[in-house]
This record gives sequence, C-alpha cells and structure tokens, in this order.
Amino acid sequence: EAGVTQFPSHSVIEKGQTVTLRCDPISGHDNLYWYRRVMGKEIKFLLHFVKESKQDESGMPNNRFLAERTGGTYSTLKVQPAELEDSGVYFCASSQVWPPLRYEKLFFGSGTQLSVL
Amino acid sequence: AQSVTQLDSHVSVSEGTPVLLRCNYSSSYSPSLFWYVQHPNKGLQLLLKYTSAATLVKGINGFEAEFKKSETSFHLTKPSAHMSDAAEYFCVAGGGADGLTFGKGTHLIIQP
Repeated sequence: EAGVTQFPSHSVIEKGQTVTLRCDPISGHDNLYWYRRVMGKEIKFLLHFVKESKQDESGMPNNRFLAERTGGTYSTLKVQPAELEDSGVYFCASSQVWPPLRYEKLFFGSGTQLSVL
Repeated sequence: AQSVTQLDSHVSVSEGTPVLLRCNYSSSYSPSLFWYVQHPNKGLQLLLKYTSAATLVKGINGFEAEFKKSETSFHLTKPSAHMSDAAEYFCVAGGGADGLTFGKGTHLIIQP
C-alpha cells in the first residue's frame, strides 16, 4: 500500500514568488491534514479536510496560504506571494478514521522542505 | 490547552547503551500521548501511544515509554541503542479540540 506522498520534496524560491505543494493521501482516506514546521519550532497544525470540505483551517497563518482538495483526493497548498518566514517543512497527513480524533491512525508524508530566499 | 516539552534537542549515545529521551507535558485534561520518529527523507512514523490504559507502553523496534501522571512525564526508553535508531523523535499530545501538539523534537545520535 502506497503511503502519503508529497511533491516536491524540496523547493527553493525567491520572496514574492508563488509555490504550490501537493499531497496525495493514502487511497480511501477522507481526512487530510497539513502541518508546518518552521526552523527551530514545533510542528504546527495548519488545516484539516474531510473529503473536499475544510473542517478546520484555524492554523492557516494568513490569506497568502490557500489550500484546496478538489474531488476529495489529492490536496494542494499554495503560498502566494511567498515571504521569508514561510520557509520550513510542510507535512501532510491522512487518516481514514472518523471521528478524526484517533490520532494514532494518522499517517504522515515525508514533507516538503520550502526555502524562501 | 496543552503543551509538550522535550527537554533535550540532541541526545548522543553509544551503540549498545540505553536510550532515554525526555518529554514533559501539560494539559487541562488527560491527553493521549505519542512518540513519533522521523528518519531522514521519511515520513513521521508512530512509535507508540498512550491512551489511558497501561502506563507502560511498548512500541516498535524495542522502544517503550512510561506515563507518569505525578511527574507529567512520558519519557521514551530503549535498553540498547542500534545504529538504525539514529533519527529525530517527537513527543506529541493529542485529544479533544486542541488537536495534536508536538514537542520541538530530539535528535538521537548513535556513536559507533
């Protein structure tokens, strides 16, 4: 069974540019989460999809971040325009279990390392 | 609200010696507690979990952790370190509306 896959693994862009990160969850997983780890800090929650709907986006830092999950399959996270403080590792996770509070059933991808110069 | 403190950013041990990674938590209720591991270029993998059953929890690859409510601790241990244990380890609290709260991570370095 394929795990959660994220693309690209690394991205280096200049301040002001746009970057789109992609996450393919495990097939059949309705719950999809985005997390972010800024250097030296903890991994923080960004948002949670249930199928194509945003269940909780309380962790999104500002309106430069846009997450979508069209059709309830893969998800994209766009940063436009990127700022220096957006640098970090962006993790995606998915789970099949409902309610989504059974965190032991969460499967994580390997992350996208974003560097904004 | 909940918080997690991993007391060491780096721990270095020799192969074959015991491993101790320390974690303290703070929560207004009894959270579920987890340890995750991330090897280079891999996703976060669940090592073990505590969910209010037995206080001594056994995980994969010989790791275990003990929940001590009086000390608000959930330290991760392994009797004998192996080179393949070199990775970053995250202590995580989860539950309720607070979602998952991660510690800052501990890099485990194994000396040959």
